[in-house]
Amino acid sequence: GENVEQHPSTLSVQEGDSAVIKCTYSDSASNYFPWYKQELGKRPQLIIDIRSNVGEKKDQRIAVTLNKTAKHFSLHITESQPEDSAVYFCAASKVGSSNTGKLIFGQGTTLQVKP
Amino acid sequence: DGGITQSPKYLFRKEGQNVTLSCEQNLNHDAMYWYRQDPGQGLRLIYYSQIVNDFQKGDIAEGYSVSREKKESFPLTVTSAQKNPTAFYLCASSINIGGYGYTFGSGTRLTVV
Repeated sequence: GENVEQHPSTLSVQEGDSAVIKCTYSDSASNYFPWYKQELGKRPQLIIDIRSNVGEKKDQRIAVTLNKTAKHFSLHITESQPEDSAVYFCAASKVGSSNTGKLIFGQGTTLQVKP
Repeated sequence: DGGITQSPKYLFRKEGQNVTLSCEQNLNHDAMYWYRQDPGQGLRLIYYSQIVNDFQKGDIAEGYSVSREKKESFPLTVTSAQKNPTAFYLCASSINIGGYGYTFGSGTRLTVV
């Protein structure tokens, strides 16, 4: 079945540096790729998503890139701040009018931003 | 609370008891899900439902049961057959099974005493 691999499992960066989290997916028909941020003790919340008809999407300090050929997508956080410290989950699904599969989550990356 | 409400926030269960966790959404979403999250771990899918009166097992369904009698509600029962139920339980819903509009509840922390 569909599988999503996420790396690294933990990431520590200095405040102001960039952080990159990478995910690979197994089903080449996947076309929807959201990212979620979960702060300690709280629920995951959507921070950005991308669909397969675009290669990159930005929202202020965060961006997501998609390489359909290689079946991987990445989250980029620039100018990291302590409040970016959290667990980040990638996910992938196949959405279509007649063939929709459920969202599959990666294993999560714990990001620590050191002041 | 973001259109999807879980209750209670904290729940204590004695050995051998069944307990039911509530999940209600007013987002008119068709799909609903239950996840278990252990400390420092990822999201493990317990059960999901694409439509009323239908649900499927996820990766760790043993010891759990669900119902989907109404579109808005997807309660999870943790039975006595679940030998290690202490965990953080998250309910979620989405427009459809593909995940558009995926929204999580605030979670229920279950502890066995």
